[in-house]
Amino acid sequence: DGGITQSPKYLFRKEGQNVTLSCEQNLNHDAMYWYRQDPGQGLRLIYYSQIVNDFQKGDIAEGYSVSREKKESFPLTVTSAQKNPTAFYLCASSLEDRAGAFFGQGTRLTVV
Amino acid sequence: AQSVTQLGSHVSVSEGALVLLRCNYSSSVPPYLFWYVQYPNQGLQLLLKYTSAATLVKGINGFEAEFKKSETSFHLTKPSAHMSDAAEYFCAVSKAAGNKLTFGGGTRVLVKP
Repeated sequence: DGGITQSPKYLFRKEGQNVTLSCEQNLNHDAMYWYRQDPGQGLRLIYYSQIVNDFQKGDIAEGYSVSREKKESFPLTVTSAQKNPTAFYLCASSLEDRAGAFFGQGTRLTVV
Repeated sequence: AQSVTQLGSHVSVSEGALVLLRCNYSSSVPPYLFWYVQYPNQGLQLLLKYTSAATLVKGINGFEAEFKKSETSFHLTKPSAHMSDAAEYFCAVSKAAGNKLTFGGGTRVLVKP
């Protein structure tokens, strides 16, 4: 079945450690996105990529980094520079000529 | 810049009653508009989308939304609420197909028996 797979579903890390969240899609979608969700704030865009080897900052990119070496994969690294990393992270993908995006099931990151 | 405002962060309805979730947008170009639903600890599922065709859009699970350009609104309705409609709902806008989405703050729906 086609879809977007985010792993792991739950992740715990100590403060000051970098952590990488995985996002893989087999939908052959061109664009991929990372959103952060906090209670009462909706979804905010962290980074997005419309083609391989290219990506753009979203509204809250500080403290995060991404790569897009393959069309299917768009990993997100939460660095120690991110001041408040505890959140629910959602990955999404879309076709270039189709409106709307498909979402993964999310990764809940807790930093202690 | 685009923005989306959802009026009411929480809505409580009785089972069988009308569900009405409000969404207003601002966009410098004719927008694409979306409603997504999210169940606890899950991703978002597309309910319906407006892409400049019919102004009344029908989606899954009995939901529909009407695009009103003069009011810059895209309110979501369902005639009769079910217990399974309890979830969080997000309105979103994009400038074009394949473009990034901008989301509203979400509305959490509680359905009372």
